[in-house]
Amino acid sequence: QKEVEQNSGPLSVPEGAIASLNCTYSDRGSQSFFWYRQYSGKSPELIMSIYSNGDKEDGRFTAQLNKASQYVSLLIRDSQPSDSATYLCAVISSASKIIFGSGTRLSIRP
Amino acid sequence: SAVISQKPSRDICQRGTSLTIQCQVDSQVTMMFWYRQQPGQSLTLIATANQGSEATYESGFVIDKFPISRPNLTFSTLTVSNMSPEDSSIYLCSTGRNYNEQFFGPGTRLTVL
Repeated sequence: QKEVEQNSGPLSVPEGAIASLNCTYSDRGSQSFFWYRQYSGKSPELIMSIYSNGDKEDGRFTAQLNKASQYVSLLIRDSQPSDSATYLCAVISSASKIIFGSGTRLSIRP
Repeated sequence: SAVISQKPSRDICQRGTSLTIQCQVDSQVTMMFWYRQQPGQSLTLIATANQGSEATYESGFVIDKFPISRPNLTFSTLTVSNMSPEDSSIYLCSTGRNYNEQFFGPGTRLTVL
């Protein structure tokens, strides 16, 4: 079992719809969770961080964390073509190590 | 967030040679990190570079292969030594508060022939 798992995609979503990206992690003691966006040929950029159970909203983005079920998700409302990218989930483990998932490729179709 | 630059942006090298990658931050930062992203794969942390102390390497990475310098609070270098084609990758430096909220440089794309 991978420490941080993501569906590699591609996930194809029509413009204007909600894109839902999911990530599961194996270390129950993990405390900090992040979503990074990486455009092709570019470096990752942080878009959301979440530390406690529940939802955290920032503009069109909502991060959801459920520690009991060991998953974290990212919702993108009103998806735009500019949201097409690879989304990386990152987790700080109980050993204070940062672990990235392999990423989900998101494609927003006009 | 800090602005980070890296040099070179890309390079093509012969096996057996070494390449030093530079990372410059526009503000003083305590922690700098070096990552590798191999084609089609995610990020793997190589080491953490703290000013005034030896770098801390992650499992699978050793100082002889990836020596790191951190002479001050705005600069670090990563050397990829005795390169082989398996070292072909994108190398990224980053800063952040511990591992939280990492800010990445533009990366160095390395191809080893």
